[in-house]
Amino acid sequence: AQRVTQPEKLLSVFKGAPVELKCNYSYSGSPELFWYVQYSRQRLQLLLRHISRESIKGFTADLNKGETSFHLKKPFAQEEDSAMYYCAPHSNDYKLSFGAGTTVTVRA
Amino acid sequence: NAGVTQTPKFRVLKTGQSMTLLCAQDMNHEYMYWYRQDPGMGLRLIHYSVGEGTTAKGEVPDGYNVSRLKKQNFLLGLESAAPSQTSVYFCASRTSERPNTGELFFGEGSRLTVL
Repeated sequence: AQRVTQPEKLLSVFKGAPVELKCNYSYSGSPELFWYVQYSRQRLQLLLRHISRESIKGFTADLNKGETSFHLKKPFAQEEDSAMYYCAPHSNDYKLSFGAGTTVTVRA
Repeated sequence: NAGVTQTPKFRVLKTGQSMTLLCAQDMNHEYMYWYRQDPGMGLRLIHYSVGEGTTAKGEVPDGYNVSRLKKQNFLLGLESAAPSQTSVYFCASRTSERPNTGELFFGEGSRLTVL
């Protein structure tokens, strides 16, 4: 069965500290990996996708196919990074599943 | 450009009542999805559609029905609401041109409370 795991429900860091959100997946085939973010009182939106190899708002995500992980990282967290983050493998079977999400709080 | 629009945004129901949530998208997307978001459970897929006139079950379809009579609209119905259906519901859509690389576009959410 396809499964995506975000082991941390809550993550609290100080401003300026590094932050890493873990995501492990178990999927048949080679799914594309995405991270979505939901800021307070806003709709869910795409943060970044692996295929684009991009850095958005200082975040990067490393795909490790051997460990089937797609962890999200930022070296220096900012208060505006406080949000809910979802890891989402997208496969060709149309069903798009999400992890349980990680709530990040960045404290001043 | 409205993107994905959900109505209503808030609704309170009594147990046993019925209601329909409407999702409309103006991006000509083929694929549409309904999710529910619950604390500690994340986003769970209820039903989805890969085109006009087609629907399929997701992870948690029980108690819900859907219809996709028009390409731009995806309706989620609760025939007999239960307190366990208290949740925030999100609709999303995406293009079919890149099946597994295209991003999902979400609505603002509909908060449903069943008393």
